[in-house]
Amino acid sequence: AQTVTQSQPEMSVQEAETVTLSCTYDTSESDYYLFWYKQPPSRQMILVIRQEAYKQQNATENRFSVNFQKAAKSFSLKISDSQLGDAAMYFCAYRSPAETSGSRLTFGEGTQLTVNP
Amino acid sequence: NAGVTQTPKFRVLKTGQSMTLLCAQDMNHEYMYWYRQDPGMGLRLIHYSVGEGTTAKGEVPDGYNVSRLKKQNFLLGLESAAPSQTSVYFCASSYTLWGRGRKVEYNNQPQHFGDGTRLSIL
Repeated sequence: AQTVTQSQPEMSVQEAETVTLSCTYDTSESDYYLFWYKQPPSRQMILVIRQEAYKQQNATENRFSVNFQKAAKSFSLKISDSQLGDAAMYFCAYRSPAETSGSRLTFGEGTQLTVNP
Repeated sequence: NAGVTQTPKFRVLKTGQSMTLLCAQDMNHEYMYWYRQDPGMGLRLIHYSVGEGTTAKGEVPDGYNVSRLKKQNFLLGLESAAPSQTSVYFCASSYTLWGRGRKVEYNNQPQHFGDGTRLSIL
């Protein structure tokens, strides 16, 4: 079974600065997908960014980018020019390609990000 | 465009009572999921369904049952609620792309989540 670990329960950043959230995972599969989801106080689960394991290029979405290190099984999220609206709980998630498992998501424990004005 | 709708949004039950949580999606997604979210533990998969009439167990299925009689609906039932089932429940659905009679791309599609149901069991 796959596991996802987020070792930083809480992080804080000053507005306009850059912060990196860590995520590691354990798997024996070679092909899989990784996601970062954001959960603000409204409780909505909002997709931030996704990465296919077969792609060497790191994914980027505006101010959000990832550092995907497949050999190290690491998938960190970098938020540049942090904004007050970025304050939320961030979840790293792993998706297996195995159709027999319903392509389920396995989530990390989450990192609570605070943005200070 | 409603997306994924969960009913109810909040409920308080007494130990031993039963109830059903309803998840409805209007995106014609084949895959649907039920998760529970507890403090410090992220989201954990309870049950899932890869199509109408099919269901399967996830990581924490004990004490729950599900049904998927219609493609757009996925029901989560608690037959005899226990305080350990106090949690926030999320439903999600995801898309599959078919080509030449088989699924060609679906794993990179994100799961779309409902807004959650906060369930408290006293």
